[in-house]
Amino acid sequence: NAGVTQTPKFRVLKTGQSMTLLCAQDMNHEYMYWYRQDPGMGLRLIHYSVGEGTTAKGEVPDGYNVSRLKKQNFLLGLESAAPSQTSVYFCASSYRLLAGEWGYNEQFFGPGTRLTVL
Amino acid sequence: RKEVEQDPGPFNVPEGATVAFNCTYSNSASQSFFWYRQDCRKEPKLLMSVYSSGNEDGRFTAQLNRASQYISLLIRDSKLSDSATYLCVVKNNNDMRFGAGTRLTVKP
Repeated sequence: NAGVTQTPKFRVLKTGQSMTLLCAQDMNHEYMYWYRQDPGMGLRLIHYSVGEGTTAKGEVPDGYNVSRLKKQNFLLGLESAAPSQTSVYFCASSYRLLAGEWGYNEQFFGPGTRLTVL
Repeated sequence: RKEVEQDPGPFNVPEGATVAFNCTYSNSASQSFFWYRQDCRKEPKLLMSVYSSGNEDGRFTAQLNRASQYISLLIRDSKLSDSATYLCVVKNNNDMRFGAGTRLTVKP
């Protein structure tokens, strides 16, 4: 049981290049999330998905696109990378809330991808 | 103003000390609350959820004050292994908002 995995672990891009980050989970979770973490800022939600084929914008979606074609995978795309997108990217997943749980479903995080845009 | 504010620290304490972290949040509609722990260059992991009545898990006690929009975490009898960054997390539906974290170093 690998939990949440992310590919790649590290990447250096030049401004204007594109890339896709892959997140995979084997816990059969409905919900998946992409965050970025910058010094002094905490984690910020980029996009999330509540099920296969559905995605929604988070707090900082600009410059990113996502797709959830399979339940276990959540892809984050950067079409034209900018230095401001240098960050550590974390993927997370959680199970679907049941009635009465009041939002208390734990998020499980992947190990992160360190991206530098030159 | 950040939606979730924490004292960044660092807190440097000796083993065995009691240490308290505070967190305030601005969205009064927030529904659920958590403390996550993040070790250096690692992913965040859930430490404990924070319930309205307050809750305890071994040496860790969490409190929530909805009226003041304030969350706290108390660590008793600190261990070297408690050294980490502690993240306050506030959730409304699927929108999780993280504080920037409070760094704790426990020294021998």
